[in-house]
Amino acid sequence: RKEVEQDPGPFNVPEGATVAFNCTYSNSASQSFFWYRQDCRKEPKLLMSVYSSGNEDGRFTAQLNRASQYISLLIRDSKLSDSATYLCVRMDSSYKLIFGSGTRLLVRP
Amino acid sequence: NAGVTQTPKFQVLKTGQSMTLQCAQDMNHNSMYWYRQDPGMGLRLIYYSASEGTTDKGEVPNGYNVSRLNKREFSLRLESAAPSQTSVYFCASSERTADPNQPQHFGDGTRLSIL
Repeated sequence: RKEVEQDPGPFNVPEGATVAFNCTYSNSASQSFFWYRQDCRKEPKLLMSVYSSGNEDGRFTAQLNRASQYISLLIRDSKLSDSATYLCVRMDSSYKLIFGSGTRLLVRP
Repeated sequence: NAGVTQTPKFQVLKTGQSMTLQCAQDMNHNSMYWYRQDPGMGLRLIYYSASEGTTDKGEVPNGYNVSRLNKREFSLRLESAAPSQTSVYFCASSERTADPNQPQHFGDGTRLSIL
């Protein structure tokens, strides 16, 4: 079983839609979590950290559920520019990053 | 505004050839990392260097060596390339390994094909 699992998608949504991705992790000792965004043939870039209390950054909301060992990313009012692959990432007890394989989002006009 | 610079961006090798991937960062970061990314696998850590003068194995170190030349530079060497090492390689850096609030910054990647 992968340490961080994501639905690969693609999620194909119209502009303006709300879309949510979930990610599950297998190591309950994980300390910190992040969402990275990766555009096609580009490097990953940090989108946002994920806090236990939930956090919001504009149209993006991240949630962490430690009891069920999953994190989520909600994107409201999707834009064409949101089309990308979203990587779920956990930091292990040695402070190394463990990446999921990504969820692909396509936003259509 | 360079950030993390990787060279080369593309490379084709024959099986058994050797090569070194170069990485340099200008953000004065202490920690540097090498990952490989394969379809459907996500990024996997090959080696990392928590600080100048130290290196440690990651998840998939076999077939690779690294050198932390100085604080800025961290190179990855393939001594005898194999087709299984065909991948996209990313170098990253961060202020400190043990700080969850310090994101890793990535280079553009090196696309390596081994025939």
